[in-house]
Amino acid sequence: GESVGLHLPTLSVQEGDNSIINCAYSNSASDYFIWYKQESGKGPQFIIDIRSNMDKRQGQRVTVLLNKTVKHLSLQIAATQPGDSAVYFCAELGQGAQKLVFGQGTRLTINP
Amino acid sequence: KAGVTQTPRYLIKTRGQQVTLSCSPISGHRSVSWYQQTPGQGLQFLFEYFSETQRNKGNFPGRFSGRQFSNSRSEMNVSTLELGDSALYLCASSFGQTNSPLHFGNGTRLTVT
Repeated sequence: GESVGLHLPTLSVQEGDNSIINCAYSNSASDYFIWYKQESGKGPQFIIDIRSNMDKRQGQRVTVLLNKTVKHLSLQIAATQPGDSAVYFCAELGQGAQKLVFGQGTRLTINP
Repeated sequence: KAGVTQTPRYLIKTRGQQVTLSCSPISGHRSVSWYQQTPGQGLQFLFEYFSETQRNKGNFPGRFSGRQFSNSRSEMNVSTLELGDSALYLCASSFGQTNSPLHFGNGTRLTVT
């Protein structure tokens, strides 16, 4: 069945360091993945997406890596800042359906 | 461009009552989806509407229903509220095509007492 999971519920990093948040998915038919950031009191905010025909995509300070062989994706945040503190979710979108399946989320804390 | 707008932001209802939540999508988006977020279950898909038709449905009881209007605005209704319906209800909009990213509003926080 569909499920998307994250390896760690919490992650604490020093300000200025790079962060890596991991996610495993189980549906090998999934062809589109999205990372969201959710701050307290707000809805999930789109960060970056990647299609299954790609293995890497870069945005501003963020990089998503997709490894279809082991059904794993990761979000790398460069030079983390206090404003990066939030819960990060990976989500999977199946073919032909606008139905996101979310992981449980990783809470990223930035230490000064 | 304005984002997804949800109203109201907060609601307090008692068991047995019904509630209607509203969502205005991003201009040009024709797909509106609803999700329930709780600490225990995380984010779960309720249903998706596209061009006024329900296109996808999650595993929620029939007390949860929705609709979409010709201007793509959407409402969801929960009847006969239960304590377990307390949650953050999130609306997301997209162009509705394969690989269209979904953009979320800030949700309606529903508390059932």
